[in-house]
Amino acid sequence: LAKTTQPISMDSYEGQEVNITCSHNNIATNDYITWYQQFPSQGPRFIIQGYKTKVTNEVASLFIPADRKSSTLSLPRVSLSDTAVYYCLVAFLGGGATNKLIFGTGTLLAVQP
Amino acid sequence: GAVVSQHPSRVICKSGTSVKIECRSLDFQATTMFWYRQFPKQSLMLMATSNEGSKATYEQGVEKDKFLINHASLTLSTLTVTSAHPEDSSFYICSARSQGVREQYFGPGTRLTVT
Repeated sequence: LAKTTQPISMDSYEGQEVNITCSHNNIATNDYITWYQQFPSQGPRFIIQGYKTKVTNEVASLFIPADRKSSTLSLPRVSLSDTAVYYCLVAFLGGGATNKLIFGTGTLLAVQP
Repeated sequence: GAVVSQHPSRVICKSGTSVKIECRSLDFQATTMFWYRQFPKQSLMLMATSNEGSKATYEQGVEKDKFLINHASLTLSTLTVTSAHPEDSSFYICSARSQGVREQYFGPGTRLTVT
């Protein structure tokens, strides 16, 4: 059964590092893990993507263990504007030539001053 | 680059009428487009996947006769909600992807309210 799980919500303060984990058993072995940010009434915005180990860009890092059953998005120093819902997007075998992409349950990050 | 637009951003319609939502890739050719639905405080649920020039593949539980998807060109896909009912009120989001590219680019979404 294709399922991804994230904490429903997290609280943080400005300047802190925030780590959000997504659990995803049985994901497709040949596809990447992607994280998105979503503000109310807007489409998701790409944050970072990776396949294994660690990926870093200008806004975040993504940690993926060897078994790829989870992934952790790390936001180094959050600000008030990082208050949003964060989703992982992972691929599961779709029964055909195309993998089925499924969004995680989403984590509402609330950053306080 | 990689901009996806949707039109309209908001629409209100009466129960029983049909509504068409457009999704356009503005600066790239989208060989695959995806349509998602998102209810308040919930995650995005994939409704269907469409490849240019082919019939859309619908997810289990999504009525293909109710949610008509057309992907006639490499830059445009449309979703038509036929005979809309209040329970169809939702946030509809499209995304687009080029052939050989892993990343999906999302549109800004369309808020549909059926009265």
